[in-house]
Amino acid sequence: QQQVKQSPQSLIVQKGGISIINCAYENTAFDYFPWYQQFPGKGPALLIAIRPDVSEKKEGRFTISFNKSAKQFSLHIMDSQPGDSATYFCAARFYGGATNKLIFGTGTLLAVQP
Amino acid sequence: DAGVIQSPRHEVTEMGQEVTLRCKPISGHDYLFWYRQTMMRGLELLIYFNNNVPIDDSGMPEDRFSAKMPNASFSTLKIQPSEPRDSAVYFCASRGLTYEQYFGPGTRLTVT
Repeated sequence: QQQVKQSPQSLIVQKGGISIINCAYENTAFDYFPWYQQFPGKGPALLIAIRPDVSEKKEGRFTISFNKSAKQFSLHIMDSQPGDSATYFCAARFYGGATNKLIFGTGTLLAVQP
Repeated sequence: DAGVIQSPRHEVTEMGQEVTLRCKPISGHDYLFWYRQTMMRGLELLIYFNNNVPIDDSGMPEDRFSAKMPNASFSTLKIQPSEPRDSAVYFCASRGLTYEQYFGPGTRLTVT
């Protein structure tokens, strides 16, 4: 199953709060899990990524938590700021046969209120 | 580097017309991807190339869509004939040795 399920669809957080976005997958052939951030009118840009042999990766205020047994991973944004307001996409890399591609989740629209 | 360059940024056309979207990947990148983004379906991979060769076109919706990469610095996505349901933002992305894909600014296509 080449799908990545993302939730919630939208999220409103107060400035300084924690934003949490969750993703789940079925295919154990996925071997790389990035998060992309997209601002209105722009293309998605890589925010942070993790491999399945690591349970957590932190870069500044952004943390990925990865649960291999549950096939779930999540993005945590600490001390959320209005500038973090954007759409966030989780993704998973599928590598099988001749193909090597990212499967994207459906996106989460985050609004951080001042 | 200027990043991935796409043209045009906006395209408005009438149903039945041919539409050609263009992309210049980042120099030195050997993978090029075409995506379509809509509210209903999110970000969908249409086709990708490696070293100018199409590898996976399973996401191309139908025969009205075609893509070419004649050289390492240029790719086109063509829709002929266009239909209103093709209205979307089309992104081109490129990738080098790492897994990171760099997206262009997109082409917003409106078919009336």
